Order: sequence, then structure tokens, then C-alpha cells
Amino acid sequence: DGGITQSPKYLFRKEGQNVTLSCEQNLNHDAMYWYRQDPGQGLRLIYYSQIVNDFQKGDIAEGYSVSREKKESFPLTVTSAQKNPTAFYLCASSALGTSIYSNQPQHFGDGTRLSIL
Amino acid sequence: AQKITQTQPGMFVQEKEAVTLDCTYDTSDQSYGLFWYKQPSSGEMIFLIYQGSYDEQNATEGRYSLNFQKARKSANLVISASQLGDSAMYFCAMRCPYSGAGSYQLTFGKGTKLSVIP
Repeated sequence: DGGITQSPKYLFRKEGQNVTLSCEQNLNHDAMYWYRQDPGQGLRLIYYSQIVNDFQKGDIAEGYSVSREKKESFPLTVTSAQKNPTAFYLCASSALGTSIYSNQPQHFGDGTRLSIL
Repeated sequence: AQKITQTQPGMFVQEKEAVTLDCTYDTSDQSYGLFWYKQPSSGEMIFLIYQGSYDEQNATEGRYSLNFQKARKSANLVISASQLGDSAMYFCAMRCPYSGAGSYQLTFGKGTKLSVIP
């Protein structure tokens, strides 16, 4: 079955440590996204990518980095510069469609819960 | 800037009854799309329904329908015949192709927690 796989499900970070969250999709989607969700809040966009080897900052990119070396993969690194990393992280992908009016929804993975030790 | 407002932090509904979850949006764009997602306690986001700004009819998908009132900038989700499995967080989101950093970026509201009572 096609879908998005995020790993690990739970992750703990020590002070001063970088950690990487994995996101893989087999939906053949061009676009991929990373969101952060805090308790009682909606999703906020961290980074997105519409094509391999290209990505753009979202609303809250500070303290995060990404890469897009393969169409299927869009890993997110939470760096030590991110002082409040505890949150639920969701990866998504979407087809770009043939028009910007496309109703293509974003499909989401099951998420990674990151906590500070 | 685009904004989504969901004014109901929590809602209760009796099983088999219908419920309406409110969503208002703010954008100066004429072209936009509105999405509703369901997030169960397990965390994944499940796409429910889509409404385009130029769609003349309200969208429907099974038990889900969208009450789209363009002049009032509202896109309320109606769930008919509620089931226990409908208990979850529900998020309204908007995409504005001509605005924002990316034409496919979604702006989310803060969500409404729906609890279905047996």
C-alpha cells in the first residue's frame, strides 16, 4: 500500500544534540512538507519541497534543516539551535496536479513525538 | 496574510445525531481551496473533504458535507449520523495558490475536539 512512513515514532533529544526525523513516501508525490504541532494548536509549516534538491522555508524554519536528495525522502534535522523542540512532528506529501487550482490534498504520516531529556 | 479561525475548542454530540463544526477564513485572494482533516488520538491526519472557491455546489463525501458560504467566508463541516469513531480533533485548512511562500502551502486552524457520546 502506498503511504508515508515516519520514524521513529518517539524520539528523545539531549541538550546540544542534533536529531534527525525520517520521512519516506512511496506515493510518487513531487511535494513534501514538514509541520510542527504543539498541544492544543494547529499545524505550522517548517519546510517544504516541490522538487528534488530544492526546498523552501516555511513559517517556523529557525533551528531546523532539511534535505531532498531523493524524491521519496525528506528528512528533518532538529538542531541544537532549536531551543524548544518538544512537539509532535508531521510529514506530508502531495501531488502538484496539473493546475494551481488542484484539489490535491496533502497526505500525512503518523508523526514523530520529540521530547527533551 | 491568510488566517483560519475555529472558534469551538470542544464539541459534544450524541451518537447518530448530526453536528456542525465551524470554520471561518480570511484571505484577500479570489482563488483558494478549503480542506478539512480529522486527527484521531493516534496522531495521523486524515483528509476528509475539499471545497474550491469557485465550486458552486457544496462538497459532500459520504457522511461529511461542507456548508460553504463564500460571502460570509465560512466553510463549516457537517457530520451526519455521528459515530463513536468520529471522536477526534478536526482541522480546517486553506490553500491560496497566489499567496504565501508556496502555492501549495496549507494554513491550518487550531482545531475542534469532537466527542461523540453513546
